[in-house]
Amino acid sequence: GDSVTQTEGLVTLTEGLPVMLNCTYQSTYSPFLFWYVQHLNEAPKLLLKSFTDNKRPEHQGFHATLHKSSSSFHLQKSSAQLSDSALYYCALSPNTGYQNFYFGKGTSLTVIP
Amino acid sequence: GPKVLQIPSHQIIDMGQMVTLNCDPVSNHLYFYWYKQILGQQMEFLVNFYNGKVMEKSKLFKDQFSVERPDGSYFTLKIQPTALEDSAVYFCASSQGQNQAPLFGEGTRLSVL
Repeated sequence: GDSVTQTEGLVTLTEGLPVMLNCTYQSTYSPFLFWYVQHLNEAPKLLLKSFTDNKRPEHQGFHATLHKSSSSFHLQKSSAQLSDSALYYCALSPNTGYQNFYFGKGTSLTVIP
Repeated sequence: GPKVLQIPSHQIIDMGQMVTLNCDPVSNHLYFYWYKQILGQQMEFLVNFYNGKVMEKSKLFKDQFSVERPDGSYFTLKIQPTALEDSAVYFCASSQGQNQAPLFGEGTRLSVL
């Protein structure tokens, strides 16, 4: 079946250091991958979506590259900011013509001064 | 932009009572979801709904839970009877389908006393 794995539950970084949050997936099809961000007491919001043509999506300094060979869609940013502290979910849509949506368990990112 | 509205934002009820959580999805969306998030924990999938039917549900979607969207009105989650462990924030989401990222509402905080 389809699933998403986020190996890190908690990540703590010092401001200014690079961010990398891991996401790997399993799918029978060629899925679309997404990153959502959820700040405290807010709804999850879409951060990034993978493209079909291998373009690298970017938003708010974050980017992610879909690597089909390794089934990964890691989230990266060159320099963490305090405001990046949030819960990050990787998610998958199996691209079967029927819309389903699978979230990973989430990674809580805390950026400290 | 389009929004998913959830009514009410907070509901307090006594254990054993029935509760209905209401979601007003984006008007041209076809797929609807409920997620549950216990305070401080990850968001967990409950159910998705398309064309008037439940397509998939998780183990968290107990027999006391039901969903419906009568005649294109609110997409509702009903819990009858409620239990203490149902206390959580419930997020509704909707999407057009075809690998579109679901848009989330702000959530309803349910407190079962």
